[in-house]
Amino acid sequence: GAGVSQSPSNKVTEKGKDVELRCDPISGHTALYWYRQSLGQGLEFLIYFQGNSAPDKSGLPSDRFSAERTGGSVSTLTIQRTQQEDSAVYLCASSPSPTQYFGPGTRLLVL
Amino acid sequence: AQSVSQHNHHVILSEAASLELGCNYSYGGTVNLFWYVQYPGQHLQLLLKYFSGDPLVKGIKGFEAEFIKSKFSFNLRKPSVQWSDTAEYFCAVNRDFGNEKLTFGTGTRLTIIP
Repeated sequence: GAGVSQSPSNKVTEKGKDVELRCDPISGHTALYWYRQSLGQGLEFLIYFQGNSAPDKSGLPSDRFSAERTGGSVSTLTIQRTQQEDSAVYLCASSPSPTQYFGPGTRLLVL
Repeated sequence: AQSVSQHNHHVILSEAASLELGCNYSYGGTVNLFWYVQYPGQHLQLLLKYFSGDPLVKGIKGFEAEFIKSKFSFNLRKPSVQWSDTAEYFCAVNRDFGNEKLTFGTGTRLTIIP
């Protein structure tokens, strides 16, 4: 069956611009997670959705980061006023609990 | 908060050698344990998982891991590695509370020399 998909696969943006990253979870998975993978920080949790609500946002690094999920399916991670330190691979995972299945990620480069 | 340690940052082995990658976690409660693998240019894939029961779990591609509760360890093993095992390996843990975020180790890069 189809796995977790993410788009775009690569994104290059200029410092100060806003970006939106999209995640399509595996059909039927109610839990959805965003993580960030960067050289200096490894794999870090950002936010968790159960259905359309986000009971755990503890990993969002600043108020420039936000995320939403609609229809219990697609999720969008938005980064406003991007900074060079936001450059990383942003990973999405979905889960029927407790195992999480990861998408291919979006590689973000902020120039 | 839980944490995960992977002490081997880069391991280089010849084909057919045996492999053991260390993973230790810190959390006093019940946990679920995972090993994920990331092959070059590919996304994270689940290698194996432990929830409860037999502490020796077997995963894909001949990998296995043993949960030793007294040592807070979940080491990954393979008796004979292949060149295709070249990848980065991540140990991860989450609390056994239903849907919980994963805490990852820093990863171990495994290079197999043909």
